[in-house]
Amino acid sequence: NAGVTQTPKFRVLKTGQSMTLLCAQDMNHEYMYWYRQDPGMGLRLIHYSVGEGTTAKGEVPDGYNVSRLKKQNFLLGLESAAPSQTSVYFCASSSLTVYGNGYTFGSGTRLTVV
Amino acid sequence: DQQVKQNSPSLSVQEGRISILNCDYTNSMFDYFLWYKKYPAEGPTFLISISSIKDKNEDGRFTVFLNKSAKHLSLHIVPSQPGDSAVYFCAASGVAQGAQKLVFGQGTRLTINP
Repeated sequence: NAGVTQTPKFRVLKTGQSMTLLCAQDMNHEYMYWYRQDPGMGLRLIHYSVGEGTTAKGEVPDGYNVSRLKKQNFLLGLESAAPSQTSVYFCASSSLTVYGNGYTFGSGTRLTVV
Repeated sequence: DQQVKQNSPSLSVQEGRISILNCDYTNSMFDYFLWYKKYPAEGPTFLISISSIKDKNEDGRFTVFLNKSAKHLSLHIVPSQPGDSAVYFCAASGVAQGAQKLVFGQGTRLTINP
């Protein structure tokens, strides 16, 4: 049982380059989320999705786009990477309610923009 | 505007003693609270939760206390073990923009000394 899988695990980008982070879950969860973790800032929500074909902005959405074409996948795109987007990115998924065990997280993608 | 705050970035405790991690929140509409544990290079994992209608929840060595009037919750670990060394995130559940989401604190790094 894989849970939530993120690819890639590490990436170095040059300023201005683009990339897509992939998140896949095999738990048939409705909700999926992208967070970034920065020192002293905790986990901040970038975008989220409440179901296939739907996405919404979170707390820090600028510079990112997302798509959820299939229920099990949630993609996070950086169109023109900036050094301020250097961070660790976590994808998470949950059932229709976060009660009980809350979210299931992936192991993260460490992104460095130089 | 940080709705969930963990004011102690780090905490050091001797093995066998009690560890107490604290969390404050500002939004009285939060209805569920969770604690996550994170090891380096891994995603956060669910530890324990509490509903806003309760003031205590216990699971083995872990107990979470909720003081709604003070908008404060705490996680007690007793006895503390070396494997408890990790970063602990407090999270609160609320509904915003029609979806239920978790808001995380900044995290507290707990170090258990032998």
